[in-house]
Amino acid sequence: AQKITQTQPGMFVQEKEAVTLDCTYDTSDPSYGLFWYKQPSSGEMIFLIYQGSYDQQNATEGRYSLNFQKARKSANLVISASQLGDSAMYFCAMREETGRRALTFGSGTRLQVQP
Amino acid sequence: DGGITQSPKYLFRKEGQNVTLSCEQNLNHDAMYWYRQDPGQGLRLIYYSQIVNDFQKGDIAEGYSVSREKKESFPLTVTSAQKNPTAFYLCASRTRTGNVNQPQHFGDGTRLSIL
Repeated sequence: AQKITQTQPGMFVQEKEAVTLDCTYDTSDPSYGLFWYKQPSSGEMIFLIYQGSYDQQNATEGRYSLNFQKARKSANLVISASQLGDSAMYFCAMREETGRRALTFGSGTRLQVQP
Repeated sequence: DGGITQSPKYLFRKEGQNVTLSCEQNLNHDAMYWYRQDPGQGLRLIYYSQIVNDFQKGDIAEGYSVSREKKESFPLTVTSAQKNPTAFYLCASRTRTGNVNQPQHFGDGTRLSIL
């Protein structure tokens, strides 16, 4: 069975600094995808970035990058130049590429950006 | 604009009552999903459907039922058998074809409470 672990319930970062949100995963499926979503206080889930298990390079999307270490089964999200609007819950999720293809989520990290 | 519409935004259930949460998408997606989110936690899969007229139980299906009579619609019924229905419910959809990096798109959610 898949499992996602986010060990940081809450994080603080100063505006304009970079922050890393940790995510480790466990799966026996050789093919899978890793996703990060942002959830503001309003509740909607906003897709940020994706990393495939066979991707050779770390994914980047604007200020978001994913530090993918396959041997360690980790997929940490790095947010550069933090902004006040980045304050939200962040969820790491995994999808196996066979079977039901649903997402398995971690418990999330609440990020607060301070001015 | 294409997207997922969930209604109502807030819903209250009386003891012994069944309630139905609506989820409609105009993204032409084949796969649809229902997740439950409890305060401070990640999302857990209730039911999913990969194709019209077919659906499967997720990890926490007890006390819930679904139907998938149309591609665009995937309503979730919270039955009286669900003894702790208070939660935030999120509907999602995804294309089954194309790139494997296609993320799930989420609706804005329904907050369900017991009266």
